[in-house]
Amino acid sequence: KAGVTQTPRYLIKTRGQQVTLSCSPISGHRSVSWYQQTPGQGLQFLFEYFSETQRNKGNFPGRFSGRQFSNSRSEMNVSTLELGDSALYLCASSLSFLAGGVARELFFGEGSRLTVL
Amino acid sequence: DQQVKQNSPSLSVQEGRISILNCDYTNSMFDYFLWYKKYPAEGPTFLISISSIKDKNEDGRFTVFLNKSAKHLSLHIVPSQPGDSAVYFCAATLSNSGYALNFGKGTSLLVTP
Repeated sequence: KAGVTQTPRYLIKTRGQQVTLSCSPISGHRSVSWYQQTPGQGLQFLFEYFSETQRNKGNFPGRFSGRQFSNSRSEMNVSTLELGDSALYLCASSLSFLAGGVARELFFGEGSRLTVL
Repeated sequence: DQQVKQNSPSLSVQEGRISILNCDYTNSMFDYFLWYKKYPAEGPTFLISISSIKDKNEDGRFTVFLNKSAKHLSLHIVPSQPGDSAVYFCAATLSNSGYALNFGKGTSLLVTP
């Protein structure tokens, strides 16, 4: 069973540019979440999508946006890049939103490492 | 504001001994807690979880303990193996918030032979 696939794995951008990252979840998974990992802040929740709808959003500025397609694939976009946006962006997928108390695992991809110069 | 804190950035343990990783949280509304393990160049992988209605959950060599009054949880690994060397993240969430996990900054565990 293929895992969560993120593309591109590495990219370099300059300040002011915008970037789009892509995530293909595990087949059958309908929930996709995005996290930002930086050395100073650790892993921080960006947003979560289920059935093409954003259901949760973290405390990030509006420059960070995302969407989910009908096949559950997701993209996130960061506009007007700042140096502080340099980070590892992790996508995670899971089967469902609520699982009645059963362990609700997130399956993470390997991440897209963004460097902003 | 960091709602989940892992105050030990690193921990070194001998093979065969117990590893204890600690985690504190500030939001008393959190009702579901998870531990993830991360190897370099890989995404985090789910290890074990616990609901706030329990105070202990065990899975093989891994046991998570939850002390709600102290807002503290710990992960015990017994016996520790060199392959357990990784960064361990504690996460907490509200069960009605879906997958909006609040992560700690991680503890790097090194298990030496």
